[in-house]
Amino acid sequence: GAVVSQHPSWVICKSGTSVKIECRSLDFQATTMFWYRQFPKQSLMLMATSNEGSKATYEQGVEKDKFLINHASLTLSTLTVTSAHPEDSSFYICSASQGPARERNTIYFGEGSWLTVV
Amino acid sequence: QKEVEQNSGPLSVPEGAIASLNCTYSDRGSQSFFWYRQYSGKSPELIMFIYSNGDKEDGRFTAQLNKASQYVSLLIRDSQPSDSATYLCAAGDYGNNRLAFGKGNQVVVIP
Repeated sequence: GAVVSQHPSWVICKSGTSVKIECRSLDFQATTMFWYRQFPKQSLMLMATSNEGSKATYEQGVEKDKFLINHASLTLSTLTVTSAHPEDSSFYICSASQGPARERNTIYFGEGSWLTVV
Repeated sequence: QKEVEQNSGPLSVPEGAIASLNCTYSDRGSQSFFWYRQYSGKSPELIMFIYSNGDKEDGRFTAQLNKASQYVSLLIRDSQPSDSATYLCAAGDYGNNRLAFGKGNQVVVIP
């Protein structure tokens, strides 16, 4: 089946630094990828939709200058958390879509990336 | 704004019993519905997806969709301790696969 890979699985960074998380679709081309954030014991909150070759679409309340998204190829999207602060510590998860389809699943999630800002 | 509600608290079921989970959604335009299982500290894994009204069965799992009532449910038959996890309900649009998630229901299967 389709596989989406995230890297790194976990990262610890100092407050004020920037961290990049990669999301790769390994065996299919994904024109659209999604970035979610999940705080402990809470649900997944969609942060932004990453569109290959164009600007990302951010959800209300998500700072686009703080969470930079680049989708430069059909198999790679990156999320950069700039000037990270402890409150940015969270589980970041990406998903990639093979495109619209009926009666079959076309959404695949990465393994997630734990970010801890100290 | 799309909302997906899962209001039940933690659910404890004995091994071998049926676990029943419910979910409602606010956006009548939602066309695709998903149940994910998430173990602590891990990414969600797909259990079931359903697009059409009615029941859909896959092994020990049955999803039910009622678009008129904007209601989705998941039944887990013959519950196993390995089913202990948080179950997330999600709704999406056909076409862009953008999902809205509920808060999740924790299921504990007691051996």
